[in-house]
Amino acid sequence: DIVMTQSPESLAVSLGERATINCKSSQSVLHSSNNKNYLAWSQQKPGQPPKLLIYWASTRNSGVPDRFSGSGSGTDFTLTISSLQAEDVAVYYCHQYYSSPTFGQGTKLEIK
Amino acid sequence: EVQLVESGGGLVKPGGSLRLSCAASGFTFSTYSMNWVRQAPGKGLEWVSSISSTSSYIYYADSVKDRFTISRDNAKNSLYLQMNSLRAEDTAVYYCASEMAAGYWGQGTLVTVSS
Repeated sequence: DIVMTQSPESLAVSLGERATINCKSSQSVLHSSNNKNYLAWSQQKPGQPPKLLIYWASTRNSGVPDRFSGSGSGTDFTLTISSLQAEDVAVYYCHQYYSSPTFGQGTKLEIK
Repeated sequence: EVQLVESGGGLVKPGGSLRLSCAASGFTFSTYSMNWVRQAPGKGLEWVSSISSTSSYIYYADSVKDRFTISRDNAKNSLYLQMNSLRAEDTAVYYCASEMAAGYWGQGTLVTVSS
């Protein structure tokens, strides 16, 4: 199984400031056949299902604000929120779909 | 509008069985692989099982192998999870989800295994 490790486990950022969450996979999720990273980022608010933000490591899902961006390749990935809004308070998960899906442990994002 | 609606959750005793269902609408269900993902109370997300669009490929997490069975009926736009020999550690909200890059998730159904 591919193990996904996120850091930090929790993060407090001031409104309007940048938030950065890191994700590392135990093996590469870059598929050589199509040069795509099988890595996604999802946001989960209390009592709600996860919501897909980013797929293929850097493609923003429809309707996701452009303050959310994903970067990285191979085994190291980053989710960046460029200017934190109050509605961004949530738990964020990275997950790979290169093989049977596995999820990071989650990063809890709060307002400082 | 895409919708995935799970049903079938509830309270069951250890060793018991439940069958979860997921009704899909708003997308071409028969062309997507599907997943069951669960979340224990206060915990993170755990993938449970996947099934390809034509049911040719099926995969299970080690934690549920030989106890759970995933299936689908493309004519009914439905996904199923038969859960047998349930244990306390299977207590979770079970989500029906499309292939991960598509990002369709249901609201979840709670399964509680307790005597």
